[in-house]
Amino acid sequence: SAVISQKPSRDICQRGTSLTIQCQVDSQVTMMFWYRQQPGQSLTLIATANQGSEATYESGFVIDKFPISRPNLTFSTLTVSNMSPEDSSIYLCSVEVAQEAFFGQGTRLTVV
Amino acid sequence: GDSVTQMEGPVTLSEEAFLTINCTYTATGYPSLFWYVQYPGEGLQLLLKATKADDKGSNKGFEATYRKETTSFHLEKGSVQVSDSAVYFCASDRGSTLGRLYFGRGTQLTVWP
Repeated sequence: SAVISQKPSRDICQRGTSLTIQCQVDSQVTMMFWYRQQPGQSLTLIATANQGSEATYESGFVIDKFPISRPNLTFSTLTVSNMSPEDSSIYLCSVEVAQEAFFGQGTRLTVV
Repeated sequence: GDSVTQMEGPVTLSEEAFLTINCTYTATGYPSLFWYVQYPGEGLQLLLKATKADDKGSNKGFEATYRKETTSFHLEKGSVQVSDSAVYFCASDRGSTLGRLYFGRGTQLTVWP
C-alpha cells in the first residue's frame, strides 16, 4: 500500500495568484499522477509525473498553467498558476503501487 | 474517446435495502474496471476491481461484474448498512498504466437506520 500526504488540505486564493500543492508518498514510486475534480464533475487526470523527466499532460492541460515538479521518487508538486474562479476544484495526487492506485485526501482550492 | 458514465445521485436507502449503482464505459480496448469509495473526511479507496470480461470483483459485501456485451460494471450490495454511506466512483484504466484512470462523476449514497 501507499500513504499519501497532501498539503495544503484547503486554501482560498485571490485570482491572478498561484498556489503550489505538495504531495509526499511514504514509499518510492516511479510515477505520480495529478487529478482535478471540479464541482459536480468527475475526477480528470491532469498529468503524469516521472522523476527526472518532464511531466506528461493530458489533453486540455498545459505546463504553463499547471507546472509540475518531481525532484525525487517520493515527492511532487503541482502549481496552479494565474488562478481564476474556474480553477476552484479539488486537486488530488495519486500513485500506483502493486497494480493499485492510491490517492491523497486532496486539496480543496477556492479562487475568489 | 474513452469515458465512464455513472448513475446520477444522490441515492438514499434504508438500512438492509438492496443497492445498485449503474456504471457503463466506452473504450477502444479492454480496460480494467474499478469501483472507488470515499468515506466522509477520507481519501479515495479502492473498493473492488475486475481486469477482464466476466470477472466479478467483490469486497465488503459489494460486487460488480465486468460485462463486455453491455459495457457495464454495475455495483451491487444485497443489504446496505449505515456505515456504507459514502461517495462511490466507477473508473476504468487507460491501458498499461493503472494510475491513469477515467472516472465517473460519483454517486453519493446515504443509508438511514
